[in-house]
Amino acid sequence: GIQVEQSPPDLILQEGANSTLRCNFSDSVNNLQWFHQNPWGQLINLFYIPSGTKQNGRLSATTVATERYSLLYISSSQTTDSGVYFCAGEGETSGSRLTFGEGTQLTVNP
Amino acid sequence: DGGITQSPKYLFRKEGQNVTLSCEQNLNHDAMYWYRQDPGQGLRLIYYSQIVNDFQKGDIAEGYSVSREKKESFPLTVTSAQKNPTAFYLCASSPTGGNTGELFFGEGSRLTVL
Repeated sequence: GIQVEQSPPDLILQEGANSTLRCNFSDSVNNLQWFHQNPWGQLINLFYIPSGTKQNGRLSATTVATERYSLLYISSSQTTDSGVYFCAGEGETSGSRLTFGEGTQLTVNP
Repeated sequence: DGGITQSPKYLFRKEGQNVTLSCEQNLNHDAMYWYRQDPGQGLRLIYYSQIVNDFQKGDIAEGYSVSREKKESFPLTVTSAQKNPTAFYLCASSPTGGNTGELFFGEGSRLTVL
């Protein structure tokens, strides 16, 4: 199956700062998605972004499928942005199964 | 409200006992999934079902069993054969049964085996 590498593994920011999280894939992927896991464990789907760029408020994501990576941008970070950010993708031969990265642990301090 | 409901949220069991985790969705989604998460790690796929009365093993299916008798329900049984069952279990669903579409998660069930 495909390998998913996320960077950085940990990130500490002051409130108001901007950040970029990266996700690299070992092979071509379909159905690339970004999730945020809050401190209580709930996973929220942020973006379904197989290719191109999407924006939702202070968050935006870009996927360059041909180069097998995706970026998540967080602008003007808030303490509520803290948590773990996961990316996941489905390999072209995986058959309906997403492979998740290990996540980026984000802490936003007031 | 539409969503995915997992129960119980917390469960304690003695070693050697089977436990069943419930997952119900009212989103009319075809596909449902069970993932396991260990502390500080990503999610690993246990089982998935793309359609009623059919399911496939994921990457870590040993020691687990599932059923999909109804579209809205996908219970997971953690059997005594699972060597390290203490974990956070997440159920998810997606609209389509083909390629994984946009994935939506329940709130999870934390299982602790004493």
